[in-house]
Amino acid sequence: AQSVTQLDSQVPVFEEAPVELRCNYSSSVSVYLFWYVQYPNQGLQLLLKYLSGSTLVESINGFEAEFNKSQTSFHLRKPSVHISDTAEYFCAVRDASGGSYIPTFGRGTSLIVHP
Amino acid sequence: SQTIHQWPATLVQPVGSPLSLECTVEGTSNPNLYWYRQAAGRGLQLLFYSVGIGQISSEVPQNLSASRPQDRQFILSSKKLLLSDSGFYLCAWSVGSSGSDTQYFGPGTRLTVL
Repeated sequence: AQSVTQLDSQVPVFEEAPVELRCNYSSSVSVYLFWYVQYPNQGLQLLLKYLSGSTLVESINGFEAEFNKSQTSFHLRKPSVHISDTAEYFCAVRDASGGSYIPTFGRGTSLIVHP
Repeated sequence: SQTIHQWPATLVQPVGSPLSLECTVEGTSNPNLYWYRQAAGRGLQLLFYSVGIGQISSEVPQNLSASRPQDRQFILSSKKLLLSDSGFYLCAWSVGSSGSDTQYFGPGTRLTVL
């Protein structure tokens, strides 16, 4: 069984400041890791994912996440946030060993960017 | 390109009334289909998933049911709604079974049970 913990339910930050959204997971097998973003009253969209290879993955809008196997973490970072980054962010994990492909989601972190 | 539709976008229903939410996917074949519920501050709860027509797996026992009458159609139903059924319902699809594939989500249905 897998679990995902998003340590912060809400992260307020000022525009142009850096931000880190934390995600830790627990799994007895190797995993794939995902970050999704949800804008108000919309569905989720994939932001980035780690499957294999380089532990640092980037999105097209300036976010990055680093897979840390020893710390079982996949924290999401952005060096300078914009008002438009205000949204709910979900971390998810899926079994990479060939078992169930059903993802496990964290509870989400609400990023609130103030002007 | 692939698209996913959900309707209605919003719904207000009295307790005890029936429910039918529909999800359709275009541009792909034999997708895996999912129904999630999102309650305020509680993240995503997987309700049902389907790997093919007529194949439904339930993750949480409740008064909801799901059906997949066609390859790209997924329906969420209830015979009698409860207050606790209120929430934001999301349909999603993916292809493959390796776990590395991305899930694509629909725009959601906001259900309020009064």
